[in-house]
Amino acid sequence: SQQGEEDPQALSIQEGENATMNCSYKTSINNLQWYRQNSGRGLVHLILIRSNEREKHSGRLRVTLDTSKKSSSLLITASRAADTASYFCATDAETSYDKVIFGPGTSLSVIP
Amino acid sequence: DAMVIQNPRYQVTQFGKPVTLSCSQTLNHNVMYWYQQKSSQAPKLLFHYYDKDFNNEADTPDNFQSRRPNTSFCFLDIRSPGLGDAAMYLCATSDRPRVPYKFFGPGTRLTVL
Repeated sequence: SQQGEEDPQALSIQEGENATMNCSYKTSINNLQWYRQNSGRGLVHLILIRSNEREKHSGRLRVTLDTSKKSSSLLITASRAADTASYFCATDAETSYDKVIFGPGTSLSVIP
Repeated sequence: DAMVIQNPRYQVTQFGKPVTLSCSQTLNHNVMYWYQQKSSQAPKLLFHYYDKDFNNEADTPDNFQSRRPNTSFCFLDIRSPGLGDAAMYLCATSDRPRVPYKFFGPGTRLTVL
């Protein structure tokens, strides 16, 4: 399985602090994506980083990718209570874009 | 706004009673996916349609079937729901295969009594 594994499984921080979540995967990939899921809701695509990229920014989000270590990190700066959600990394196999596999997710709680 | 719509948002069925979940999209995307997400777990791909071509995942139980009558709609049929089938079911679309990200609907939460 090339399923991504998120670390930590749960994270609780104060509003204004930065939140860092990590993801590891097992096989070569084309892309790695991060999704957010609010409780009881569908998934919202946050950011995609391609295998030939090392870092990407989108607003308060910063994603890094280290293909040599098969790992990625998602940094949320200046967190807000509205960032409370589960965050999933998802990878697709080098041979098949359709086989997007989700990791187990990190549950982030931002305390006002 | 273009979007992926799932109906109903909450579905309650009885053990063994067939149930159908619906997904529609206004994105005119060629590919539609169904994922199952159990509590506190990652979404798991059940199957997908590329146009009318159906692609089943090897470990998807036979109890789960799908229909795609046209580009806009895709249905998930659970022929005989068991207690273990209680989950959130997520529909997603992409404009073509081999693109990395999908547009997800809000999901249907299925309860089996």
